[in-house]
Amino acid sequence: GESVGLHLPTLSVQEGDNSIINCAYSNSASDYFIWYKQESGKGPQFIIDIRSNMDKRQGQRVTVLLNKTVKHLSLQIAATQPGDSAVYFCAVISGGYNKLIFGAGTRLAVHP
Amino acid sequence: GAVVSQHPSWVICKSGTSVKIECRSLDFQATTMFWYRQFPKQSLMLMATSNEGSKATYEQGVEKDKFLINHASLTLSTLTVTSAHPEDSSFYICSVPEGETQYFGPGTRLLVL
Repeated sequence: GESVGLHLPTLSVQEGDNSIINCAYSNSASDYFIWYKQESGKGPQFIIDIRSNMDKRQGQRVTVLLNKTVKHLSLQIAATQPGDSAVYFCAVISGGYNKLIFGAGTRLAVHP
Repeated sequence: GAVVSQHPSWVICKSGTSVKIECRSLDFQATTMFWYRQFPKQSLMLMATSNEGSKATYEQGVEKDKFLINHASLTLSTLTVTSAHPEDSSFYICSVPEGETQYFGPGTRLLVL
């Protein structure tokens, strides 16, 4: 079955630096990937998505990179701000009916 | 994306009682909604798929008689935790799919004493 994992459980960065959060997946047939941000006590918030026919997609201060060869995707946050502090999850569509498989999550801590 | 609400945001109940959690899609008609459970410092685990007008589909290991799901309309799904026990204490989150993307509610914190 599908498994999704993250390389680092916790990432500490200085305010203003760029952050990179990594994610690995196991199913080479996965074709849709989403990054979510979850603040403490809240539901996950959609950040950005990417399909397998792309290798890069940019949003506002965020970029997602997809490397299908090694089944790896990353989320880059430019000029990280204190409000970016949260847990970030990658999620992969698996099977029918839009069933999402979530990674373990990476906690991003932004220090002033 | 879809705007999703949940009620209540938190609930404390005694062991053995039942608790109902509502999930509403405020601006989008959803024939399907999803229910997740999240324990502290862990990821989200899909519990079941709620289907409007038909039975819910449960993930392996999730007891359908314990976690009753009713998708009564295109904007409302309810999850009832029956005979709740302390081990059912968790953060319950629903989501609404819009296309392939899922939009999540704010979650319901359940504490069973």
